[in-house]
Amino acid sequence: GAVVSQHPSWVICKSGTSVKIECRSLDFQATTMFWYRQFPKQSLMLMATSNEGSKATYEQGVEKDKFLINHASLTLSTLTVTSAHPEDSSFYICSGPGTGGLAGVKEQYFGPGTRLTVT
Amino acid sequence: AQSVTQLGSHVSVSEGALVLLRCNYSSSVPPYLFWYVQYPNQGLQLLLKYTTGATLVKGINGFEAEFKKSETSFHLTKPSAHMSDAAEYFCAVSGGGTSYGKLTFGQGTILTVHP
Repeated sequence: GAVVSQHPSWVICKSGTSVKIECRSLDFQATTMFWYRQFPKQSLMLMATSNEGSKATYEQGVEKDKFLINHASLTLSTLTVTSAHPEDSSFYICSGPGTGGLAGVKEQYFGPGTRLTVT
Repeated sequence: AQSVTQLGSHVSVSEGALVLLRCNYSSSVPPYLFWYVQYPNQGLQLLLKYTTGATLVKGINGFEAEFKKSETSFHLTKPSAHMSDAAEYFCAVSGGGTSYGKLTFGQGTILTVHP
């Protein structure tokens, strides 16, 4: 299957600083990628859809000015957590649709996730 | 709107025993349903999916799931558990079409397999 990487795999930052997380599709191109957040012992929650060449679309309740998404190329999407606070500590996961399957039913490939801890 | 409920955050079985992980969903549109598995320090891996057609779907590693519209369920089963099946399993639903990649996940079920 297709491979999605994330960098870093874990990061610790101080409150008030910004952190950038990269999501790369290593062997396929993606015009759309998705960002999820998972709090401890909770389910993955979709945060936003990253669109190559246009603005990201955010789910209800997600602050777009706090979680900046840039889809720089067909293989790279970045999520920047600005002015991070301890409540932003979470597991961030990205996904991208592979090239196989019919339009609208492409399999999603997930990255391994990035553990963010804000102190 | 869509939601997924996985009954049981932890399931423990003996090696060789039946695996049954329960998933119920709600969806305002015909659902696409998925089961993913996550091994430690790895990304989610698709086990199987239901989009249209046959309601009994077979996936990798001997897993299968049956879509039951009347029961709004999509339970995951495997006849005989193997030690390598120990992992966390997630059920997910999407609305299909342009919403295909926008998944709503259940809480996850951690499967433990005893020798």
